[in-house]
Amino acid sequence: SQKIEQNSEALNIQEGKTATLTCNYTNYSPAYLQWYRQDPGRGPVFLLLIRENEKEKRKERLKVTFDTTLKQSLFHITASQPADSATYLCALDGTGGFKTIFGAGTRLFVKA
Amino acid sequence: DAGVIQSPRHEVTEMGQEVTLRCKPISGHDYLFWYRQTMMRGLELLIYFNNNVPIDDSGMPEDRFSAKMPNASFSTLKIQPSEPRDSAVYFCASSEPTGTSTSYEQYFGPGTRLTVT
Repeated sequence: SQKIEQNSEALNIQEGKTATLTCNYTNYSPAYLQWYRQDPGRGPVFLLLIRENEKEKRKERLKVTFDTTLKQSLFHITASQPADSATYLCALDGTGGFKTIFGAGTRLFVKA
Repeated sequence: DAGVIQSPRHEVTEMGQEVTLRCKPISGHDYLFWYRQTMMRGLELLIYFNNNVPIDDSGMPEDRFSAKMPNASFSTLKIQPSEPRDSAVYFCASSEPTGTSTSYEQYFGPGTRLTVT
């Protein structure tokens, strides 16, 4: 069955450094992959979408890569800030269309 | 736009009672999703609708769960009878029509925290 794996351990980094989060998937070839941010007590908020034919996508301090050979996406936050502290979820399209499968998320803590 | 609206924000009920969760999607969005989030299982898709029609309900855990979308601006998720293992945060999300530049992006509501005792 389709499986998405994100680092279950929390990621602690110092302000100003680059945070790198990993999303691995198996038994599937998604047409696109999304990254969401979730703060405690709130719903996920969409950040970036990358399609299977794209290697990299950027938005301000965010960068996402998508390696369909390795079945992996990397999510980078450059010049991280304490306000970036949150849980980051990756999501793949399921059997096609709009059925979305989410990873468990990685908790990021950025220390001042 | 007010975003996706969910009610109630918190619900505490006793085992065996009926629970109804409500959602108002963003105007103009024609996809609506219901998710459940727990620490153990993460964020799981329960069901989604397109133009008020249920497309995939394979994530609905069992017959105690049902969802309806009587019109483009309202959806309900009902649990009858509720059980303690249904305790979770339930999210509703909506997406824009197919073919738009952001058609896969989902906008989530604030969620309903359900506690069944």
